[in-house]
Amino acid sequence: DTGVSQDPRHKITKRGQNVTFRCDPISEHNRLYWYRQTLGQGPEFLTYFQNEAQLEKSRLLSDRFSAERPKGSFSTLEIQRTEQGDSAMYLCASSYTQGDGYTFGSGTRLTVV
Amino acid sequence: QKEVEQNSGPLSVPEGAIASLNCTYSDRVSQSFFWYRQYSGKSPELIMSIYSNGDKEDGRFTAQLNKASQYVSLLIRDSQPSDSATYLCAVNPPGGKLTFGQGTILTVHP
Repeated sequence: DTGVSQDPRHKITKRGQNVTFRCDPISEHNRLYWYRQTLGQGPEFLTYFQNEAQLEKSRLLSDRFSAERPKGSFSTLEIQRTEQGDSAMYLCASSYTQGDGYTFGSGTRLTVV
Repeated sequence: QKEVEQNSGPLSVPEGAIASLNCTYSDRVSQSFFWYRQYSGKSPELIMSIYSNGDKEDGRFTAQLNKASQYVSLLIRDSQPSDSATYLCAVNPPGGKLTFGQGTILTVHP
């Protein structure tokens, strides 16, 4: 197992376009998390899954954001009608149980121009 | 009040010294506590976890937890320039998702 994989590593998009990111967690981890991080700040929670069920979504997340984990394996995060304020590092992480520390992927850096 | 608070620094220490990083949290029922290291442009890397009061040592790193004071710290002994990074404190309150502080920038100078 090579850890948590995220694709793409970098994405530049024009304002108003839709973008989709993919995350492949560690295979035996059933919990998957999405976070967003901007410069000088700690990671900010977006949403998480246990298997295929989306258990929580941050109230900070607008309706333009949606995440799926259709078969309890990989997950996708879609941002519709991107805005400049969406520019950030999007981090995916996974864990085996609730009390475990998370293993993060390398992240997807989004730049909205 | 932020859920997890850290001094953003920067904290500058000479090579070979002890670096002390501190974190306070607001939710008294939190049970799991973690320290992550993040190099510039990279993702966070888990370096320490602690679940009960007291000290936990791993190599040059020691995590300390005091639940009564809602305080977590990380000591780095014999600091090296390669330890220069941002250190993130993370707390797992009931609900099962980590909440992070804003991080402390550590610089170890030769």
